[in-house]
Amino acid sequence: GEDVEQSLFLSVREGDSSVINCTYTDSSSTYLYWYKQEPGAGLQLLTYIFSNMDMKQDQRLTVLLNKKDKHLSLRIADTQTGDSAIYFCAVLNTGGFKTIFGAGTRLFVKA
Amino acid sequence: DTGVSQNPRHKITKRGQNVTFRCDPISEHNRLYWYRQTLGQGPEFLTYFQNEAQLEKSRLLSDRFSAERPKGSFSTLEIQRTEQGDSAMYLCASSLEGGQGRSPLHFGNGTRLTVT
Repeated sequence: GEDVEQSLFLSVREGDSSVINCTYTDSSSTYLYWYKQEPGAGLQLLTYIFSNMDMKQDQRLTVLLNKKDKHLSLRIADTQTGDSAIYFCAVLNTGGFKTIFGAGTRLFVKA
Repeated sequence: DTGVSQNPRHKITKRGQNVTFRCDPISEHNRLYWYRQTLGQGPEFLTYFQNEAQLEKSRLLSDRFSAERPKGSFSTLEIQRTEQGDSAMYLCASSLEGGQGRSPLHFGNGTRLTVT
């Protein structure tokens, strides 16, 4: 079935780059997303990439997509303590109506 | 754009009681989704509406769960005879599906349900 896998934890020092990785199973996914969730809040869309793109950059965020390996990554440059949160990788299913989420990667930023 | 609004933010109820949650989507969005999130997990799809029509329901949505979206605007999610396993964050999201393509999901802040 459709599945999205992420590593559960990542710890970085303030000012370093963070790279969060994700793999997915549905090779026909057309849209792939990164969401951020802070404690007690809903999910905030950070960025997304269409499946015919390899890379997308948006200020401190860089998304890389490797369709052959079904691998998506999110790089956060110059990570700040305010970036501490849970980051969810998500893909739009083949049917185009259901967005499937990974379990989330908890990013800890040490000052 | 006032965002997706959900009420209440928190609900504590005794097992066996019925609860109802409300979601007001972004006004121009024609699709509305309900997701459930438990601790340490990502959101799981429950159901979605295109305008007022409920087009898909997950197997997670037992007969005790019912969702409506009268007039294609706000939506309600009702859980009857709540069980402790229903304790979770219930997230509502909306999106625009149309000739210009598909917008990503925009989430509300959720309703946290605790069943005692």
